[in-house]
Amino acid sequence: SQTIHQWPATLVQPVGSPLSLECTVEGTSNPNLYWYRQAAGRGLQLLFYSVGIGQISSEVPQNLSASRPQDRQFILSSKKLLLSDSGFYLCAWSPGTGGTYEQYFGPGTRLTVT
Amino acid sequence: GQSLEQPSEVTAVEGAIVQINCTYQTSGFYGLSWYQQHDGGAPTFLSYNALDGLEETGRFSSFLSRSDSYGYLLLQELQMKDSASYFCAVSPGGAGNTGKLIFGQGTTLQVKP
Repeated sequence: SQTIHQWPATLVQPVGSPLSLECTVEGTSNPNLYWYRQAAGRGLQLLFYSVGIGQISSEVPQNLSASRPQDRQFILSSKKLLLSDSGFYLCAWSPGTGGTYEQYFGPGTRLTVT
Repeated sequence: GQSLEQPSEVTAVEGAIVQINCTYQTSGFYGLSWYQQHDGGAPTFLSYNALDGLEETGRFSSFLSRSDSYGYLLLQELQMKDSASYFCAVSPGGAGNTGKLIFGQGTTLQVKP
Protein backbone atom coordinates (compact mmCIF):
# COMPACT_ATOMS: atom_id res chain seq x y z
CA SER A 1 0.00 0.00 0.00
CA GLN A 2 1.01 3.60 -0.53
CA THR A 3 1.94 5.99 2.26
CA ILE A 4 2.98 9.61 2.31
CA HIS A 5 5.19 11.16 4.96
CA GLN A 6 5.73 14.78 5.88
CA TRP A 7 7.97 16.29 8.48
CA PRO A 8 8.14 18.07 10.74
CA ALA A 9 4.57 18.09 12.06
CA THR A 10 4.94 21.56 13.60
CA LEU A 11 7.52 24.26 13.14
CA VAL A 12 8.06 27.71 14.65
CA GLN A 13 10.53 29.87 12.75
CA PRO A 14 11.56 33.53 13.03
CA VAL A 15 11.03 35.96 10.18
CA GLY A 16 13.95 35.90 7.78
CA SER A 17 15.03 32.35 8.58
CA PRO A 18 15.24 29.60 5.93
CA LEU A 19 12.72 26.80 5.51
CA SER A 20 12.90 23.23 4.29
CA LEU A 21 9.89 20.89 4.40
CA GLU A 22 10.20 17.37 3.10
CA CYS A 23 7.64 14.97 1.71
CA THR A 24 8.21 11.37 0.66
CA VAL A 25 5.89 8.80 -0.86
CA GLU A 26 6.22 5.04 -0.53
CA GLY A 27 4.65 2.19 -2.44
CA THR A 28 4.23 3.83 -5.84
CA SER A 29 6.39 4.96 -8.74
CA ASN A 30 6.37 8.14 -10.78
CA PRO A 31 3.64 9.88 -8.80
CA ASN A 32 2.43 13.40 -9.42
CA LEU A 33 3.32 15.48 -6.37
CA TYR A 34 1.77 18.66 -4.98
CA TRP A 35 2.40 21.28 -2.31
CA TYR A 36 -0.56 23.19 -0.86
CA ARG A 37 -0.86 25.88 1.76
CA GLN A 38 -3.96 26.35 3.89
CA ALA A 39 -4.57 29.46 5.97
CA ALA A 40 -6.74 29.05 9.07
CA GLY A 41 -10.37 28.46 8.08
CA ARG A 42 -9.62 28.70 4.38
CA GLY A 43 -9.29 26.49 1.34
CA LEU A 44 -6.24 24.82 -0.10
CA GLN A 45 -4.00 26.97 -2.26
CA LEU A 46 -1.94 25.00 -4.77
CA LEU A 47 1.66 26.19 -4.59
CA PHE A 48 3.63 23.76 -6.77
CA TYR A 49 3.14 20.51 -8.61
CA SER A 50 5.51 18.07 -10.26
CA VAL A 51 4.97 15.31 -12.81
CA GLY A 52 8.55 14.00 -12.68
CA ILE A 53 12.06 14.40 -11.31
CA GLY A 54 13.27 17.96 -11.76
CA GLN A 55 9.92 19.07 -13.27
CA ILE A 56 8.31 21.78 -11.14
CA SER A 57 5.34 23.98 -12.01
CA SER A 58 4.71 27.04 -9.87
CA GLU A 59 1.17 28.24 -9.36
CA VAL A 60 1.64 31.28 -7.14
CA PRO A 61 4.56 33.73 -7.28
CA GLN A 62 6.08 34.04 -3.82
CA ASN A 63 9.29 33.57 -1.90
CA LEU A 64 8.89 29.79 -1.84
CA SER A 65 10.48 27.24 -4.14
CA ALA A 66 10.13 23.50 -4.65
CA SER A 67 12.41 20.74 -5.81
CA ARG A 68 12.06 17.07 -6.67
CA PRO A 69 15.49 15.50 -6.42
CA GLN A 70 14.17 11.93 -6.45
CA ASP A 71 11.08 10.25 -7.89
CA ARG A 72 9.22 10.08 -4.57
CA GLN A 73 10.70 13.08 -2.76
CA PHE A 74 9.33 16.60 -2.85
CA ILE A 75 10.89 19.51 -0.95
CA LEU A 76 9.47 22.96 -0.22
CA SER A 77 12.00 25.66 0.59
CA SER A 78 12.42 29.32 1.36
CA LYS A 79 15.55 31.39 1.81
CA LYS A 80 13.87 34.00 4.01
CA LEU A 81 10.49 33.43 5.65
CA LEU A 82 7.83 36.15 5.87
CA LEU A 83 5.05 36.43 8.46
CA SER A 84 2.59 35.72 5.66
CA ASP A 85 4.18 32.30 5.11
CA SER A 86 2.51 30.98 8.25
CA GLY A 87 -0.01 28.25 7.57
CA PHE A 88 -0.70 24.57 7.22
CA TYR A 89 1.43 23.02 4.48
CA LEU A 90 0.15 19.87 2.87
CA CYS A 91 1.89 17.54 0.47
CA ALA A 92 -0.17 15.26 -1.74
CA TRP A 93 0.32 12.69 -4.48
CA SER A 94 -1.75 11.19 -7.27
CA PRO A 95 -1.00 8.38 -9.73
CA GLY A 96 1.13 9.59 -12.60
CA THR A 97 -0.75 7.59 -15.17
CA GLY A 98 -3.50 10.18 -15.36
CA GLY A 99 -7.21 9.58 -15.65
CA THR A 100 -7.71 9.96 -11.93
CA TYR A 101 -8.21 13.09 -9.91
CA GLU A 102 -8.02 11.57 -6.46
CA GLN A 103 -5.21 13.03 -4.42
CA TYR A 104 -3.78 11.52 -1.26
CA PHE A 105 -2.61 13.94 1.39
CA GLY A 106 0.13 13.73 3.97
CA PRO A 107 -0.45 14.71 7.62
CA GLY A 108 0.76 18.28 7.03
CA THR A 109 3.19 20.69 8.67
CA ARG A 110 1.85 23.55 10.73
CA LEU A 111 4.27 26.46 10.28
CA THR A 112 4.22 29.56 12.48
CA VAL A 113 6.49 32.40 11.50
CA THR A 114 7.14 34.76 14.42
CA GLY B 1 -9.70 32.87 -14.26
CA GLN B 2 -11.00 30.02 -12.21
CA SER B 3 -13.29 30.22 -9.20
CA LEU B 4 -15.46 27.97 -7.07
CA GLU B 5 -18.29 29.06 -4.81
CA GLN B 6 -19.63 27.06 -1.88
CA PRO B 7 -21.41 28.13 1.33
CA SER B 8 -19.07 28.88 4.21
CA GLU B 9 -21.13 27.14 6.90
CA VAL B 10 -23.99 24.67 7.19
CA THR B 11 -25.63 23.38 10.36
CA ALA B 12 -27.84 20.31 10.62
CA VAL B 13 -29.04 17.84 13.25
CA GLU B 14 -28.05 14.23 13.66
CA GLY B 15 -29.99 11.90 11.36
CA ALA B 16 -30.91 14.66 8.92
CA ILE B 17 -29.94 15.15 5.27
CA VAL B 18 -27.77 18.06 4.16
CA GLN B 19 -26.76 19.29 0.71
CA ILE B 20 -23.61 21.31 0.07
CA ASN B 21 -23.63 23.15 -3.24
CA CYS B 22 -20.71 24.14 -5.43
CA THR B 23 -20.70 26.33 -8.51
CA TYR B 24 -17.59 26.77 -10.59
CA GLN B 25 -16.09 28.83 -13.39
CA THR B 26 -13.08 27.33 -15.09
CA SER B 27 -11.29 27.50 -18.41
CA GLY B 28 -11.95 23.93 -19.41
CA PHE B 29 -13.23 21.21 -17.12
CA TYR B 30 -12.56 17.52 -16.56
CA GLY B 31 -14.49 16.83 -13.38
CA LEU B 32 -15.57 17.77 -9.87
CA SER B 33 -14.23 16.18 -6.69
CA TRP B 34 -15.22 16.38 -3.04
CA TYR B 35 -12.90 16.15 -0.04
CA GLN B 36 -13.53 15.99 3.70
CA GLN B 37 -11.22 17.54 6.26
CA HIS B 38 -11.62 17.17 10.01
CA ASP B 39 -10.25 19.94 12.17
CA GLY B 40 -6.45 19.79 12.25
CA GLY B 41 -6.31 16.84 9.87
CA ALA B 42 -5.52 16.21 6.23
CA PRO B 43 -8.18 16.23 3.50
CA THR B 44 -9.49 12.86 2.38
CA PHE B 45 -11.14 12.05 -0.94
CA LEU B 46 -14.89 11.44 -0.97
CA SER B 47 -16.06 11.36 -4.58
CA TYR B 48 -15.42 12.38 -8.19
CA ASN B 49 -17.89 13.21 -10.97
CA ALA B 50 -16.76 13.49 -14.56
CA LEU B 51 -20.18 13.03 -16.15
CA ASP B 52 -23.60 14.50 -15.40
CA GLY B 53 -25.64 12.70 -12.80
CA LEU B 54 -25.54 11.26 -9.34
CA GLU B 55 -22.80 9.09 -7.86
CA GLU B 56 -23.65 7.26 -4.64
CA THR B 57 -21.17 5.95 -2.09
CA GLY B 58 -22.86 4.79 1.08
CA ARG B 59 -24.36 7.73 2.97
CA PHE B 60 -22.68 10.22 0.64
CA SER B 61 -23.79 11.11 -2.88
CA SER B 62 -22.41 13.63 -5.34
CA PHE B 63 -24.13 15.24 -8.29
CA LEU B 64 -22.83 17.11 -11.31
CA SER B 65 -24.47 19.22 -14.01
CA ARG B 66 -21.82 20.28 -16.51
CA SER B 67 -24.24 22.54 -18.41
CA ASP B 68 -24.99 24.47 -15.22
CA SER B 69 -21.39 24.39 -13.90
CA TYR B 70 -22.88 23.10 -10.68
CA GLY B 71 -22.55 20.19 -8.34
CA TYR B 72 -23.49 19.18 -4.85
CA LEU B 73 -22.56 16.76 -2.10
CA LEU B 74 -25.45 15.09 -0.31
CA LEU B 75 -24.92 13.63 3.13
CA GLN B 76 -27.64 11.40 4.52
CA GLU B 77 -28.29 10.04 8.01
CA LEU B 78 -25.94 12.60 9.46
CA GLN B 79 -23.70 11.50 12.30
CA MET B 80 -21.73 13.60 14.76
CA LYS B 81 -18.50 12.40 13.11
CA ASP B 82 -19.60 14.10 9.87
CA SER B 83 -18.81 17.47 11.46
CA ALA B 84 -15.93 18.64 9.28
CA SER B 85 -15.06 20.93 6.39
CA TYR B 86 -16.04 19.84 2.90
CA PHE B 87 -14.25 21.09 -0.19
CA CYS B 88 -15.24 20.89 -3.80
CA ALA B 89 -12.39 20.83 -6.30
CA VAL B 90 -12.29 21.05 -10.07
CA SER B 91 -9.92 19.47 -12.52
CA PRO B 92 -9.37 22.33 -14.94
CA GLY B 93 -8.81 22.09 -18.67
CA GLY B 94 -5.23 21.40 -19.56
CA ALA B 95 -4.67 19.42 -16.38
CA GLY B 96 -3.98 16.36 -18.51
CA ASN B 97 -2.11 13.76 -16.56
CA THR B 98 -0.98 16.25 -13.90
CA GLY B 99 -4.03 15.49 -11.74
CA LYS B 100 -4.03 19.18 -10.83
CA LEU B 101 -6.97 20.39 -8.71
CA ILE B 102 -8.33 23.82 -7.85
CA PHE B 103 -10.09 23.83 -4.46
CA GLY B 104 -12.99 25.88 -3.18
CA GLN B 105 -12.83 27.70 0.16
CA GLY B 106 -14.69 24.94 1.94
CA THR B 107 -17.97 24.50 3.80
CA THR B 108 -17.88 23.89 7.53
CA LEU B 109 -20.60 21.41 8.51
CA GLN B 110 -21.68 21.35 12.12
CA VAL B 111 -23.85 18.42 13.14
CA LYS B 112 -25.84 18.97 16.32
CA PRO B 113 -27.39 16.28 18.51
